[in-house]
Amino acid sequence: AQRVTQPEKLLSVFKGAPVELKCNYSYSGSPELFWYVQYSRQRLQLLLRHISRESIKGFTADLNKGETSFHLKKPFAQEEDSAMYYCALSDSGAGSYQLTFGKGTKLSVIP
Amino acid sequence: GAGVSQSPSNKVTEKGKDVELRCDPISGHTALYWYRQSLGQGLEFLIYFQGNSAPDKSGLPSDRFSAERTGGSVSTLTIQRTQQEDSAVYLCASSLEGGPPQFFGPGTRLTVL
Repeated sequence: AQRVTQPEKLLSVFKGAPVELKCNYSYSGSPELFWYVQYSRQRLQLLLRHISRESIKGFTADLNKGETSFHLKKPFAQEEDSAMYYCALSDSGAGSYQLTFGKGTKLSVIP
Repeated sequence: GAGVSQSPSNKVTEKGKDVELRCDPISGHTALYWYRQSLGQGLEFLIYFQGNSAPDKSGLPSDRFSAERTGGSVSTLTIQRTQQEDSAVYLCASSLEGGPPQFFGPGTRLTVL
């Protein structure tokens, strides 16, 4: 069975400090990984996907198949990054994005 | 429209009653998803629509749950004979042409007494 683990429920960092939100997964097939974000009083939305290999709002994430990880990183945290972040996985060959979500990490950036 | 909309925002019902939850996706988005989030649980996939058809309904937890989509737009999730374990926030999401869920709606909080 596929599983996504986000080991930290809450992560607090100071403004300007580097951020790393951890995500580990277990899946026997060929996974596609995503990060979703939910800002306060806003809706959940897609932040980035590993196949795009792009930086969104300064965030990047690299899929490490050896370590089965997809950590989200940003070199310098901003106050507006404070939000709930969810890591998610789908089977890239399934044809439907039936995502398995982690339970989320709340990022708090301290001014 | 401003985004995915869902109605009602809150629904309280008695055990055994039927409920209907509605989702209006972003105009032009052909893919529509239903997820739910129970207390202490992560988001669980329920069903995926591409246009009006549902190629993946594997997440529906029982035959009390059904969903339809008409005109490639509005979708309705129906739960028959509700049980207390159905209490959750039901989220709808849409995306262009079958991509991953891109934008979620605000959700419907269902409480079964």
